[in-house]
Amino acid sequence: AQSVTQLGSHVSVSEGALVLLRCNYSSSVPPYLFWYVQYPNQGLQLLLKYTTGATLVKGINGFEAEFKKSETSFHLTKPSAHMSDAAEYFCAVSKMDSSYKLIFGSGTRLLVRP
Amino acid sequence: DAGVTQSPTHLIKTRGQQVTLRCSPKSGHDTVSWYQQALGQGPQFIFQYYEEEERQRGNFPDRFSGHQFPNYSSELNVNALLLGDSALYLCASIKGSYNEQFFGPGTRLTVL
Repeated sequence: AQSVTQLGSHVSVSEGALVLLRCNYSSSVPPYLFWYVQYPNQGLQLLLKYTTGATLVKGINGFEAEFKKSETSFHLTKPSAHMSDAAEYFCAVSKMDSSYKLIFGSGTRLLVRP
Repeated sequence: DAGVTQSPTHLIKTRGQQVTLRCSPKSGHDTVSWYQQALGQGPQFIFQYYEEEERQRGNFPDRFSGHQFPNYSSELNVNALLLGDSALYLCASIKGSYNEQFFGPGTRLTVL
C-alpha cells in the first residue's frame, strides 16, 4: 500500500526566506510523485511532478523538488518566499501504471510573514 | 479552453437526503476521478470513470455512486447523507495515458 507523510501541518517563513516543505512516501513499487497547491476556496493546481529521469524536478512559480529514493523523500523547496506563496500544499503519490489514483498527504499550510 | 468545471459550487443538505454533483472535464480528457476532501485533510480518492465504466474505487461505501456520460462528463451521487459526508468534493480529469490530473474548483457540500 502507498502512503504519504507531510511533516508539519503549518510552516511559517518570512518573505524572502527559503521555503522547505517535507514529504516522505511509502510505496512497494516505484512511484510517481506530485506536489499540488491549493489556494483558499479553490481546487488543486499541479506545481510539479516526478515520473522518471532527472531526480531534481523544477515546477511553476520557482518551486522545485528532489526525488531521493534512498530516503523515500520528495521535499519541496523555493529559494525565496513571496507573499503570494501562502497556501496549502499537498504531496501525492501514485503507482507507475494507468490507474491515476492519487494518494495525498494531509497537507502543509504555508504562512509567509511580511 | 475551459478547464474542469463543477456544479454546483455550494450545496446544503440534511441528513438522509440524496445529492448529485456534476463535473465536466477539460476538452479532450476522457477519464474522470472524484475525490473527497474533508476539512483540514488531504483529498481521498472515491472512484474513477473511463469509457462510462467505473475503473477503480477507493474505500468508500456503496452510498457513493457515479456515472460517466458519452461526452465524458460525470456525476457523483451520494445517498442517505451523513454529517460526515460534509466536505469539498473535487473532480479531476485526465487525458489518455498522460499522468497529469487537472482539478476543478470543487463542490462544497454541507450536511446538517
